[in-house]
Amino acid sequence: QKEVEQNSGPLSVPEGAIASLNCTYSDRVSQSFFWYRQYSGKSPELIMSIYSNGDKEDGRFTAQLNKASQYVSLLIRDSQPSDSATYLCAVKRGSARQLTFGSGTQLTVLP
Amino acid sequence: DGGITQSPKYLFRKEGQNVTLSCEQNLNHDAMYWYRQDPGQGLRLIYYSQIVNDFQKGDIAEGYSVSREKKESFPLTVTSAQKNPTAFYLCASSIAGTDQETQYFGPGTRLLVL
Repeated sequence: QKEVEQNSGPLSVPEGAIASLNCTYSDRVSQSFFWYRQYSGKSPELIMSIYSNGDKEDGRFTAQLNKASQYVSLLIRDSQPSDSATYLCAVKRGSARQLTFGSGTQLTVLP
Repeated sequence: DGGITQSPKYLFRKEGQNVTLSCEQNLNHDAMYWYRQDPGQGLRLIYYSQIVNDFQKGDIAEGYSVSREKKESFPLTVTSAQKNPTAFYLCASSIAGTDQETQYFGPGTRLLVL
């Protein structure tokens, strides 16, 4: 079992719809969770971070964390073609320095 | 502007050659990291450093070496022992010391083998 798993996609949604991206992790001691967006050929950029159970909203983005189910998700409301990218889920254990990344979900927003 | 710079953007390596990738940050971050990304895959940690003159191996350190002589700089050398070096190399940095520290990435270096 991979430490961090994401559906590779591709996931296609029409413009204006809600895109839902999911991530599961295997290590129960994981404490910090991050969503990065990566455009083709570019480096990852941070979208959201979440540390406590529940929802965290930032503009059109909502991160949801359920530690009991070892599940973290990212919702993108009113999806735009500019949201088309690969979304990487990253998990950090407690005081460990390094992040463990999923393989990413490729999202395409269709005009 | 504060940020992380990586150079060169593209690098070509010949068989048996060592090459060095540069990473510099002016964010005053304590920790720095090197990741490798292969097509269609997530990032894998090569090395990381929390303070000057100290660094630790990540998951795929074989065939790579690093140094941390200055807080701002964390160069990565891809040695001839790395048999499959073609990949996208990403440097990141973070403020160390908190459980919630966030890593920020440089623009990356794409390494190709001739």
